Amino acid sequence: DTGVSQDPRHKITKRGQNVTFRCDPISEHNRLYWYRQTLGQGPEFLTYFQNEAQLEKSRLLSDRFSAERPKGSFSTLEIQRTEQGDSAMYLCASSRGTSDEQFFGPGTRLTVL
Amino acid sequence: DAKTTQPTSMDCAEGRAANLPCNHSTISGNEYVYWYRQIHSQGPQYIIHGLKNNETNEMASLIITEDRKSSTLILPHATLRDTAVYYCIVRNAGGTSYGKLTFGQGTILTVHP
Repeated sequence: DTGVSQDPRHKITKRGQNVTFRCDPISEHNRLYWYRQTLGQGPEFLTYFQNEAQLEKSRLLSDRFSAERPKGSFSTLEIQRTEQGDSAMYLCASSRGTSDEQFFGPGTRLTVL
Repeated sequence: DAKTTQPTSMDCAEGRAANLPCNHSTISGNEYVYWYRQIHSQGPQYIIHGLKNNETNEMASLIITEDRKSSTLILPHATLRDTAVYYCIVRNAGGTSYGKLTFGQGTILTVHP
């Protein structure tokens, strides 16, 4: 257990539905990252927060994706109108500083039918 | 961030040292070498990082060549629990990258009894 938690661990949804994932980082970490990992590939960066400010978004983050970190603590990642190609493991990580090690949560595995 | 090249897979006998190579020939002077690993169905786990000098911690040793174009991660006494995908990542700790990690395919290390 790294101290980073994610909920839910697994989510099965039908194409076209909206889904929301939650990440609770280590409490003193003000940096928070979201990554996506498809089968057989390494994780790919999606977006980054420093406190409540979203400072960087990958081109992978289409308009259907939105992430928030309203009070600089937990974060949510929402996917609207899910597509089968969204099926993946969604990983959250947090760190104290940008050069510090990132602690990853266990991930949320999304399956879109 | 500079690109890295790693072997797709490696085997190691339990109790022996596992030496995982990584090439990063385009690394720049302010880029660090990080190693993470990912055990099946878990989030990535930080192992070690370094800039120029060799580094050692309780998990592993990192040997970086003098020209910094390659490095080797050493697990001194591999156990079955070290079976995982090992990622070598070159990372600019500051600037506009905000510390995001760029994962490649990694090396699948299998430790045999």
